[in-house]
Amino acid sequence: GESVGLHLPTLSVQEGDNSIINCAYSNSASDYFIWYKQESGKGPQFIIDIRSNMDKRQGQRVTVLLNKTVKHLSLQIAATQPGDSAVYFCAENVNQAGTALIFGKGTTLSVSS
Amino acid sequence: GAGVSQSPSNKVTEKGKDVELRCDPISGHTALYWYRQSLGQGLEFLIYFQGNSAPDKSGLPSDRFSAERTGGSVSTLTIQRTQQEDSAVYLCASSSMAAADTQYFGPGTRLTVL
Repeated sequence: GESVGLHLPTLSVQEGDNSIINCAYSNSASDYFIWYKQESGKGPQFIIDIRSNMDKRQGQRVTVLLNKTVKHLSLQIAATQPGDSAVYFCAENVNQAGTALIFGKGTTLSVSS
Repeated sequence: GAGVSQSPSNKVTEKGKDVELRCDPISGHTALYWYRQSLGQGLEFLIYFQGNSAPDKSGLPSDRFSAERTGGSVSTLTIQRTQQEDSAVYLCASSSMAAADTQYFGPGTRLTVL
């Protein structure tokens, strides 16, 4: 079946650095993408989303980039902080209301002071 | 409450016993989802409810798994005759009609089957 995957299972950065977490998706029909952050013992927390009619979307300290040509999604975190340490998942959805999200396995981001 | 809530937060049971997991979605959200997350893995879709429509059960791994949603709000996921491989975190999410794609998750129930 089609799935969403992440390039690296772990990423370690220094506090203050910018972090880039990558994700490749395989379903060319997917047109909605979400990034979630999951801290230990908690459920996934919505960070930012993007639709396929956009290439870039910015939030507070986070930016999501979408390259539909190569089916690649990335999450950029500016000035990474220790509180950003978590597992980050990308998820995709074909634009049908109520369709279950397809998740990758996640990238663990570790931020050292 | 403001977010999705789930209970219990942790459940330890013996193999062969039945368990019930509860989810309270965000008030006003019409769609409710159950996912399972095994250790170190991504989320696996189980079942989806939308309003009064028949649920999408395509993700349920076996007939030991079932779910109900009463009154279009609270949902209960039931696992009968639990097996050790059922051990996982069970996550519930809900979404609104206005933003049906965006699912908001609860904290999950960690199920351990001994």
